Amino acid sequence: AQSVAQPEDQVNVAEGNPLTVKCTYSVSGNPYLFWYVQYPNRGLQFLLKYITGDNLVKGSYGFEAEFNKSQTSFHLKKPSALVSDSALYFCAVTLNNAGNMLTFGGGTRLMVKP
Amino acid sequence: GAGVSQTPSNKVTEKGKYVELRCDPISGHTALYWYRQSLGQGPEFLIYFQGTGAADDSGLPNDRFFAVRPEGSVSTLKIQRTERGDSAVYLCASSLGQGFNEQFFGPGTRLTVL
Repeated sequence: AQSVAQPEDQVNVAEGNPLTVKCTYSVSGNPYLFWYVQYPNRGLQFLLKYITGDNLVKGSYGFEAEFNKSQTSFHLKKPSALVSDSALYFCAVTLNNAGNMLTFGGGTRLMVKP
Repeated sequence: GAGVSQTPSNKVTEKGKYVELRCDPISGHTALYWYRQSLGQGPEFLIYFQGTGAADDSGLPNDRFFAVRPEGSVSTLKIQRTERGDSAVYLCASSLGQGFNEQFFGPGTRLTVL
């Protein structure tokens, strides 16, 4: 079985400050990890993914995430937050099989204040 | 280009009724997924199609739920004898088939069972 934990329901950060949204996972095998963002009344949008290779992955809108196998983590980061980054963020994992169905965490609400 | 579309955007029904939810994937995407998102939670996998066949339906909660994709494009999620606990946002996603390509999500159908 695979699972994802996002330990923070909400993260508050001031505009211009760095942000981190935490994600840890549990799988039996090599994980493939994703971050999605959900804006109000809109569908989930893909931000970035880790499949293999460099542990630091860069994605859309200046976001990046670091895969840490020993800590089973895949935290989302951004050097300088924008008010427009305020949204609901989901971490997801899948395994190396043909299905590719995603297991999502519970989500973290990011609030960036001016 | 056009993204994943879902109809209707909102569906209100009475307990015991039958409902159909439609998903139009991105043209050329052979893989199609259905997820269900309850309030305050991350999406949960329901079923995955590769082409016309359901490759994995392990996420369907019970036999009241069924999905089809007869021509390998549009898919319909069918729920019989709806219950209040079926109320959720039903999300559809599509991707470029095999491999760890990101899934593109539709805006969802909000189902309310009274």
